[in-house]
Amino acid sequence: KQEVTQIPAALSVPEGENLVLNCSFTDSAIYNLQWFRQDPGKGLTSLLLIQSSQREQTSGRLNASLDKSSGRSTLYIAASQPGDSATYLCAVEGGSNYKLTFGKGTLLTVNP
Amino acid sequence: EAGVAQSPRYKIIEKRQSVAFWCNPISGHATLYWYQQILGQGPKLLIQFQNNGVVDDSQLPKDRFSAERLKGVDSTLKIQPAKLEDSAVYLCASSRILGTDSYEQYFGPGTRLTVT
Repeated sequence: KQEVTQIPAALSVPEGENLVLNCSFTDSAIYNLQWFRQDPGKGLTSLLLIQSSQREQTSGRLNASLDKSSGRSTLYIAASQPGDSATYLCAVEGGSNYKLTFGKGTLLTVNP
Repeated sequence: EAGVAQSPRYKIIEKRQSVAFWCNPISGHATLYWYQQILGQGPKLLIQFQNNGVVDDSQLPKDRFSAERLKGVDSTLKIQPAKLEDSAVYLCASSRILGTDSYEQYFGPGTRLTVT
């Protein structure tokens, strides 16, 4: 059974800092890994999707890496802004029905 | 393209009452998912449809939860009777057809259910 763990559970940083969120998963037989953002009371917004054959993806100030063999991914946020404050969820897709398994998320607060 | 639509956005009911949620996926998306997200947890898959057939309902509490997807488009998720532990956000997502290259799921805004 796939298990996804995210560390840290919560993170508070001053504006402008670069930061790293971590995700680990137990079964390396995945099709892809996704990072989502969730604002309070809202649905999920996909930030980055890394295919299993890829090592990283970049979008603006976000960079996500994937090491499938070790079961790890990181989300790097450069020059953080207060608008980045949200919960960040990592999910891996695997199995015969392409099921997404989520971590519990990291609650990020960026202080002005 | 229009996103995944869900209604209602919020619902408060008493335990033992029934409730239904509605989802309209992105046009052309064959696969539809219902997730339950309890506060402080990641979303958990309840049921997955491809067109109007069930692909996975292994984590759906079938004694009280039911779901259907009529004509392979809209879907409803029902809880009857509700329990306090059903308080959660119910998320609907859709994606292109299963079995092709790895694809992306698109999520709706969710329905926040409070059971008192």
